[in-house]
Amino acid sequence: EAQVTQNPRYLITVTGKKLTVTCSQNMNHEYMSWYRQDPGLGLRQIYYSMNVEVTDKGDVPEGYKVSRKEKRNFPLILESPSPNQTSLYFCASSFFASFEYNEQFFGPGTRLTVL
Amino acid sequence: TQLLEQSPQFLSIQEGENLTVYCNSSSVFSSLQWYRQEPGEGPVLLVTVVTGGEVKKLKRLTFQFGDARKDSSLHITAAQPGDTGLYLCAGVDNAGNMLTFGGGTRLMVKP
Repeated sequence: EAQVTQNPRYLITVTGKKLTVTCSQNMNHEYMSWYRQDPGLGLRQIYYSMNVEVTDKGDVPEGYKVSRKEKRNFPLILESPSPNQTSLYFCASSFFASFEYNEQFFGPGTRLTVL
Repeated sequence: TQLLEQSPQFLSIQEGENLTVYCNSSSVFSSLQWYRQEPGEGPVLLVTVVTGGEVKKLKRLTFQFGDARKDSSLHITAAQPGDTGLYLCAGVDNAGNMLTFGGGTRLMVKP
């Protein structure tokens, strides 16, 4: 089944404890992206990747890191999480970056709480 | 930064009623997308409107892109409980590779 998977789905952690949220897609997509969703704010893009070894900042990159060493994986790293990073995180992928002509598929989300 | 405002934020209606959700911006977008999101899941693309003034229909859902490509609307006819969810609009920038999402409209359709 074609899908985007994220792990873990739920995570409660404490301030300053490094964590990684994994994202994997099995559709051979070139473009991958991370968003965070907060009530009333919709989704805001954190980082995106046009292809392997190519990453760039989105609208809210502060406090996050990403890497794209393989086409299928795009992990999100929080080196020193803080309470304001408590949010619902979505990974997404598409064949390429032109959204007018190709669909972006979203993972099921990771709900992160930082105490 | 381009902003998209959706209204209303919340909408609770009875089955069979009609409704319209609006998505407005002061910025021009190359295209506009509508998504539906259900609890515990990621957003799922419903439609992309590309041309100013374009109207697309998806069964009981009608999507319209404003002539100036700054706004869009989603109209649902004879709403059903299965339409319940969070509806998100998203504008595509001129380069075609970044999305700006609206804050969402949470719709509840009661039987």
